[in-house]
Amino acid sequence: GDSVTQMEGPVTLSEEAFLTINCTYTATGYPSLFWYVQYPGEGLQLLLKATKADDKGSNKGFEATYRKETTSFHLEKGSVQVSDSAVYFCALVNQAGTALIFGKGTTLSVSS
Amino acid sequence: DAGITQSPRHKVTETGTPVTLRCHQTENHRYMYWYRQDPGHGLRLIHYSYGVKDTDKGEVSDGYSVSRSKTEDFLLTLESATSSQTSVYFCAISEKVGHNTGELFFGEGSRLTVL
Repeated sequence: GDSVTQMEGPVTLSEEAFLTINCTYTATGYPSLFWYVQYPGEGLQLLLKATKADDKGSNKGFEATYRKETTSFHLEKGSVQVSDSAVYFCALVNQAGTALIFGKGTTLSVSS
Repeated sequence: DAGITQSPRHKVTETGTPVTLRCHQTENHRYMYWYRQDPGHGLRLIHYSYGVKDTDKGEVSDGYSVSRSKTEDFLLTLESATSSQTSVYFCAISEKVGHNTGELFFGEGSRLTVL
């Protein structure tokens, strides 16, 4: 079945460091892909998305490119800030197109 | 912010007791979801609804039931709570889903502890 695999965390970085969080997926066809972010004590919110192969989603300095040849959707940011500390979830639309399937989440901690 | 309210936000109960969590939305979105979040498992879908009285199971539906009698309310019931159902429960809504969209708006979560 459809699934999402994210790199294990936590990821600990210093401010202004480069960030990569890996995400790979297993799915039938080419589902829309998403990154959601969860700040402490809050629900998830959409960070960015891509709906077809080679699309690049971007928001708040974060980027991710839909790579169908490697079935990946890695999240990157050139210079992280303390305020980026959160849990990041990769997700895809299930085959039926009725719900999102989430990865296990990756905790990012940024120190000044 | 999407108008989603979950209640209660925190609850402690004992094994074997019934528990109902409520999700209320003011957005008139068609789709509503219940997910649970657990360390090491991320978010897992329990049940979802695609309209009034139209619901379907997710990947971890055993031990849970849902009801949606009005567009704005989606109830999650644990008929007889067990310690394995200790979790944070999130409600989410969406105007539409499918391969060209799929943004979900989440509530703030309900933390349930079953002793």
